[in-house]
Amino acid sequence: RKEVEQDPGPFNVPEGATVAFNCTYSNSASQSFFWYRQDCRKEPKLLMSVYSSGNEDGRFTAQLNRASQYISLLIRDSKLSDSATYLCVVTVNYGGSQGNLIFGKGTKLSVKP
Amino acid sequence: NAGVTQTPKFQVLKTGQSMTLQCAQDMNHNSMYWYRQDPGMGLRLIYYSASEGTTDKGEVPNGYNVSRLNKREFSLRLESAAPSQTSVYFCASRELWDRGNEKLFFGSGTQLSVL
Repeated sequence: RKEVEQDPGPFNVPEGATVAFNCTYSNSASQSFFWYRQDCRKEPKLLMSVYSSGNEDGRFTAQLNRASQYISLLIRDSKLSDSATYLCVVTVNYGGSQGNLIFGKGTKLSVKP
Repeated sequence: NAGVTQTPKFQVLKTGQSMTLQCAQDMNHNSMYWYRQDPGMGLRLIYYSASEGTTDKGEVPNGYNVSRLNKREFSLRLESAAPSQTSVYFCASRELWDRGNEKLFFGSGTQLSVL
C-alpha cells in the first residue's frame, strides 16, 4: 500500500460546483498534513495546512480524520482558476527531528465554464 | 522576493554526459530538498539536506550526487546521465515553525531530457 494515496481524477466540474477530494495515508505515526496546489508545468505551492479540528480558508475547507487516516479538501463555488492538480502531503517522522514529507500523486481538477 | 532560484530551466543531455543543477534560497532555511516529478509517479525525493554540511538519501538517490555548499546553496549532480533520468526536477527549501506548521518553497523546476 502506498504511503499517501489520492484519486488521480480528472475531476471535471462546472463553474460554481462543489467538489471534494480525499486522500488516505498508511502511516499512523504521520504528524502533519497539507494540501499543495500545482498548476500545469509549474512548481507546487502550499494551499493550506490541515489541522485536527478542521480548518477553512475562504472557499476551501480541509478536514483530518486520524481514526480513519484520511484527509479531505472541499472546494465550494469552484472557479475556472481552481483548475490545477491538488497534492496531498503528509509528514512522517522516521526518527529525525524534522520528519520527511511524503507526496501523493495528486488529483487533477478541471473547472469548465 | 527571490525565494528559491533554480537553474537551468531546460536542459538536453546525451547519454553519459554530466551536469549540475543549481539551487539557492535566500530565506535562511536550514532544510533543502531535491525532487523529481514524472508523469503518474508524483514527486519523489532524491536527496535532502537537513542543515548545512549534512546530506541524506531520499527515495530515489541512485545516479545522483548532491552538495550543500553553504546554507543558501544545494546542488544536484548527474555524473553520467541516463534516459531514465529524463524528468522535471524541483529544488525546495523548508520553513518549519513548529510541529504542524511548516511550508515548502519550490523553485520553478528544471525540465531535463536525456537522449
